Amino acid sequence: EVVLTQSPATLSLSPGERAALSCRASQSVSSYLAWYQQKPGQAPRLLMYDASYRATGIPARFGGSGSGTDFTLTISSLEPEDFAVYYCQQRNNWPPTFGGGTKVEIK
Amino acid sequence: QVHLVQSGAEVKKPGASVKVSCKAFGYTFTAYAMHWVRQAPGQGLEWMGCIDAGNGNTKYSQKFQGRLTNTRDTSASTAYMELSSLRSDDTAVYYCARGGDGCVSYHFDYWGQGALVTVSS
Repeated sequence: EVVLTQSPATLSLSPGERAALSCRASQSVSSYLAWYQQKPGQAPRLLMYDASYRATGIPARFGGSGSGTDFTLTISSLEPEDFAVYYCQQRNNWPPTFGGGTKVEIK
Repeated sequence: QVHLVQSGAEVKKPGASVKVSCKAFGYTFTAYAMHWVRQAPGQGLEWMGCIDAGNGNTKYSQKFQGRLTNTRDTSASTAYMELSSLRSDDTAVYYCARGGDGCVSYHFDYWGQGALVTVSS
């Protein structure tokens, strides 16, 4: 199965700063990569799918890029509600797999 | 609007089985697959299996083969996840999540609120 490695494990930033989260796949997943946000005690929420498409209702400050094995989730200017854990997930190969997560915390 | 409502928390003894339900609202239940994803305390997300709500076909992670059974009741727009031979390391929050058309690898656009299953003697 495809292994997804997210880095860094923790990102310490201040509100208003730009965040860049990385997800690397052990083999090509084409553009079939999604990103989720999870806050404590809540279910994950779909942010991006197929690498660069925002899900319904997701603000424009969230952006996604990449293809093949290297992907990036960018948050252009962090809002207080953006501090959370972010997971990537691939759907190119069976079974679907998730990365280990990146925690974005307030510096 | 679309939302998924899961059954409540459960406490089970090792060796027992647990069945979690997931009732769908706001869309045609049989047009999508339902997937199950779990999250152990403080850990990441782990895909378990899925059911095509239209034809009932299922697929499971190899890790759970023989212990996991996904079913659905189309008249109630409800999917079920049953895990047997529970062990302490099955303690986790279990989520249902809507996938695509059929039990194929897909992203998950709507999630249930989660059901905590605690396995303890």
